[in-house]
Amino acid sequence: NAGVTQTPKFRVLKTGQSMTLLCAQDMNHEYMYWYRQDPGMGLRLIHYSVGEGTTAKGEVPDGYNVSRLKKQNFLLGLESAAPSQTSVYFCASKTPLETDTQYFGPGTRLTVL
Amino acid sequence: KQEVTQIPAALSVPEGENLVLNCSFTDSAIYNLQWFRQDPGKGLTSLLLIQSSQREQTSGRLNASLDKSSGRSTLYIAASQPGDSATYLCAAPLPPGNNRKLIWGLGTSLAVNP
Repeated sequence: NAGVTQTPKFRVLKTGQSMTLLCAQDMNHEYMYWYRQDPGMGLRLIHYSVGEGTTAKGEVPDGYNVSRLKKQNFLLGLESAAPSQTSVYFCASKTPLETDTQYFGPGTRLTVL
Repeated sequence: KQEVTQIPAALSVPEGENLVLNCSFTDSAIYNLQWFRQDPGKGLTSLLLIQSSQREQTSGRLNASLDKSSGRSTLYIAASQPGDSATYLCAAPLPPGNNRKLIWGLGTSLAVNP
């Protein structure tokens, strides 16, 4: 099993450009998450999904949109990138079991100029 | 509101030392406490998950304890090795009572020197 994969690994955007980050998991997990990680701020939840076709806002959702059209995929979109969105983005997934932990992808490093 | 704090922010030790990493939380109605490891430029890997009904969990040289009354969890690493060098993060479910979302500490960056 590949686990959780993220595409792309690196990306440089100019202010105002748009892009979509793809997260895929092959563990049949119901829950999926998008985080951003910034120095001194830790991991912050952007959006999450508890099942196919459902999404919910996390701590820092502004400027981002998400879609979960297929159970195995969770897409994070930036419609008009801003320098403040320069960050490392992590995707994670888990089962609904209360005893289960989250499984993380390798991250996407995004720079917005 | 649950808050998670990790002290120290960074730690440097010689190889072979036993060491303790600390994690504090503000709401004692905690459902579980989770420890993760993050290597530079990589994603997070789960190390240990302690349920609220447990006092500790062990995996190899790692032992994590949970004291709800004092709002503390510790991660004990025995006989540290250079390969243990990484950032260690703890996380608690938010809100307390379900394990759907986590609130994270900022991590302790550990360097084990040969």
